[in-house]
Amino acid sequence: DGGITQSPKYLFRKEGQNVTLSCEQNLNHDAMYWYRQDPGQGLRLIYYSQIVNDFQKGDIAEGYSVSREKKESFPLTVTSAQKNPTAFYLCASTPGQGGFYEQYFGPGTRLTVT
Amino acid sequence: LAKTTQPISMDSYEGQEVNITCSHNNIATNDYITWYQQFPSQGPRFIIQGYKTKVTNEVASLFIPADRKSSTLSLPRVSLSDTAVYYCLVGKFYFGSGTKLNVKP
Repeated sequence: DGGITQSPKYLFRKEGQNVTLSCEQNLNHDAMYWYRQDPGQGLRLIYYSQIVNDFQKGDIAEGYSVSREKKESFPLTVTSAQKNPTAFYLCASTPGQGGFYEQYFGPGTRLTVT
Repeated sequence: LAKTTQPISMDSYEGQEVNITCSHNNIATNDYITWYQQFPSQGPRFIIQGYKTKVTNEVASLFIPADRKSSTLSLPRVSLSDTAVYYCLVGKFYFGSGTKLNVKP
């Protein structure tokens, strides 16, 4: 089965700790995205990558970092600099860069920081 | 950047047709309009996409007027399982705030 996997589904951390969220896809898609979703809110773009070894900041990149060393993997690190990290994090991918591609989403990771 | 506006919520009954409108006044020439469905604690799922006029697939229709400043998602004969949040996406990244559809028996 092709798709996007995110792990873990639930993640708990203490304030001040960095945490890395995993996103893997076996769809052979070029572009990958990270979104943040807060309760009752829409999706906000954190980072995106259109090709291996390249990525761009989205609207809310402060306090986050990413890497794209392999086509199939796009991990997101939530650093201690992120003021309100508790949220639902969604990873997505598309075959190419155009806005006419359907975004395929993973199941999400719910991060709780206390 | 294409900012989108959607109603916060809508109620409907099983078997009715539901129309959800999204406003996007500053849509760019090359922006497509895409609608997604999201259930609680899940990733959004693609419903339909269009550029202009009308598009129909097995689950929905999408109406886009000539000026493309709005779009309407039409769900025919909704069922309880259509209770979800519906998002319009204009261009590549900018999702609306979503419309929570509540289908009642």
